[in-house]
Amino acid sequence: NAGVTQTPKFQVLKTGQSMTLQCAQDMNHEYMSWYRQDPGMGLRLIHYSVGAGITDQGEVPNGYNVSRSTTEDFPLRLLSAAPSQTSVYFCASSYRDEAFFGQGTRLTVV
Amino acid sequence: AQSVTQLGSHVSVSEGALVLLRCNYSSSVPPYLFWYVQYPNQGLQLLLKYTSAATLVKGINGFEAEFKKSETSFHLTKPSAHMSDAAEYFCAVSDPGWGKLQFGAGTQVVVTP
Repeated sequence: NAGVTQTPKFQVLKTGQSMTLQCAQDMNHEYMSWYRQDPGMGLRLIHYSVGAGITDQGEVPNGYNVSRSTTEDFPLRLLSAAPSQTSVYFCASSYRDEAFFGQGTRLTVV
Repeated sequence: AQSVTQLGSHVSVSEGALVLLRCNYSSSVPPYLFWYVQYPNQGLQLLLKYTSAATLVKGINGFEAEFKKSETSFHLTKPSAHMSDAAEYFCAVSDPGWGKLQFGAGTQVVVTP
């Protein structure tokens, strides 16, 4: 049982490049979410999904897109990377009120 | 709107001493409250949660927290710190059943011999 798997673990992008952060869960949870973690700011919600085909914005959605075509996968797309998107990104899936987090993706935009 | 305030971004405790991490919240509805721990270069792990049952909640690794509605607080304690408790701790709040977490800024705990 892998839980929540995020890939890649590390990534360096140039300003303006696009990329997709992958997130997969094998717990059949309907609710999935993406957070970014920045020093002194805790984790902030980017986007979330309550089931396949349903997504919504969180607190800091600008510059990010998501889609949810299956229950298992919830990729996060950076359309045109900016230095302000340098952060650690966490994907989580939730059942009832318990969230299970992936190991994170450390993204640096230069 | 919900918010969480963690008092103290860094806390240093001696091994064997009491660990006390403070968390205050604001919420327009009776909230669910959580404490998560993050070890270096890892994801977040749930320590404990309050979901409107007993106000004193026991979690993993000897931690516990008490929900005090009158003080809008959910402070985390451990009677005796261990070196392995060195980590960052996050308090979080959510509306019941929603799953969207609002996190505090985190408290880094350092344990000294």
